[in-house]
Amino acid sequence: NAGVTQTPKFQVLKTGQSMTLQCAQDMNHNSMYWYRQDPGMGLRLIYYSASEGTTDKGEVPNGYNVSRLNKREFSLRLESAAPSQTSVYFCASSEGVPYGYTFGSGTRLTVV
Amino acid sequence: EDQVTQSPEALRLQEGESSSLNCSYTVSGLRGLFWYRQDPGKGPEFLFTLYSAGEEKEKERLKATLTKKESFLHITAPKPEDSATYLCAVSTGANSKLTFGKGITLSVRP
Repeated sequence: NAGVTQTPKFQVLKTGQSMTLQCAQDMNHNSMYWYRQDPGMGLRLIYYSASEGTTDKGEVPNGYNVSRLNKREFSLRLESAAPSQTSVYFCASSEGVPYGYTFGSGTRLTVV
Repeated sequence: EDQVTQSPEALRLQEGESSSLNCSYTVSGLRGLFWYRQDPGKGPEFLFTLYSAGEEKEKERLKATLTKKESFLHITAPKPEDSATYLCAVSTGANSKLTFGKGITLSVRP
């Protein structure tokens, strides 16, 4: 019962460094999402992929890029990390309405 | 723009003291309203989906209800293990994107 797997679980970056957050799901879901969660701000959508081969911006896409590698995998890239990108990042997948999301366990990222 | 507001921000209950969490929303064309539970250091866990006003769903001590403007998560005789953050979200588009509220942190004291 793997569900949605995110790697790494923790990461510390220096300002200006780049990194890729990995996400994979084994439920054959069409849609995948990246959210960030900050204290007092709730969950905010960064990018999403409604189906394999498509990606779209969410509410807070600046500073990020995504790749839907195949139906299972959806990665999030920070090209030049900034302290404002310190957050907890969640990947999720869904079959679509009426089904809810299945979330991964998150990546806690600190940019110093 | 879709808006979801949850209240109160935090709630402290004594074990066995029933209460309700509120989620009010302003959207155009609600396709579904979702409740999630989130434990510290973990990802949100799906609880319920509600689709139309008047609908109710139950799971153990939790009961979710929906009107045209808000949803309530009623907690009956809560236990300490019910302590968590409860998130409300709405779906209004064809892509099943969810807009989340900021969450309600519930603490249940033994």
